Amino acid sequence: GIQVEQSPPDLILQEGANSTLRCNFSDSVNNLQWFHQNPWGQLINLFYIPSGTKQNGRLSATTVATERYSLLYISSSQTTDSGVYFCAAGRSQGNLIFGKGTKLSVKP
Amino acid sequence: DVKVTQSSRYLVKRTGEKVFLECVQDMDHENMFWYRQDPGLGLRLIYFSYDVKMKEKGDIPEGYSVSREKKERFSLILESASTNQTSMYLCASSFGTGGGYEQYFGPGTRLTVT
Repeated sequence: GIQVEQSPPDLILQEGANSTLRCNFSDSVNNLQWFHQNPWGQLINLFYIPSGTKQNGRLSATTVATERYSLLYISSSQTTDSGVYFCAAGRSQGNLIFGKGTKLSVKP
Repeated sequence: DVKVTQSSRYLVKRTGEKVFLECVQDMDHENMFWYRQDPGLGLRLIYFSYDVKMKEKGDIPEGYSVSREKKERFSLILESASTNQTSMYLCASSFGTGGGYEQYFGPGTRLTVT
């Protein structure tokens, strides 16, 4: 089955810094999503991006499906960006395979 | 906005009890999913359903069953709760059969089995 690997596992930034999170997946996919898990455990949808580039405010994402990776960019990071970011790739049945996540800590 | 709700945010049950976790979505989605999340193991699929009364096993179905009597509601059942089922349970839904559709998650239920 599909395997999803995220890097780095942990990231510590100063407020205002930029960062790039990476997601590699082992097979072709028809769904690729990025989530932010808030402190209460809810998964917040950031991007649905099986291919191409999207931007939403300070966040943007790019998926290069032919090379089987996706990148999440966070610019001008804020303390509220702290948390765990998950990448998940979709199988043909529709369910998602999740990476282990990147734990981001933004220091004031 | 898509809304997925779960019946409880926190739940404490005793070993051997029958436990029902309820999930409701309001967007007429065909697909619904149950995952559990554990430290070090990440999120894993328990069961999913692509239509009313249909169900498919995920990666870790042992000890669980599901019910989908109405399109908007998907229930996860722990027939006899055990301590190793202490976990965070997340429900999700998506439009359409098969893959290629954005998945939306509920707020999660933290279940503790003592």
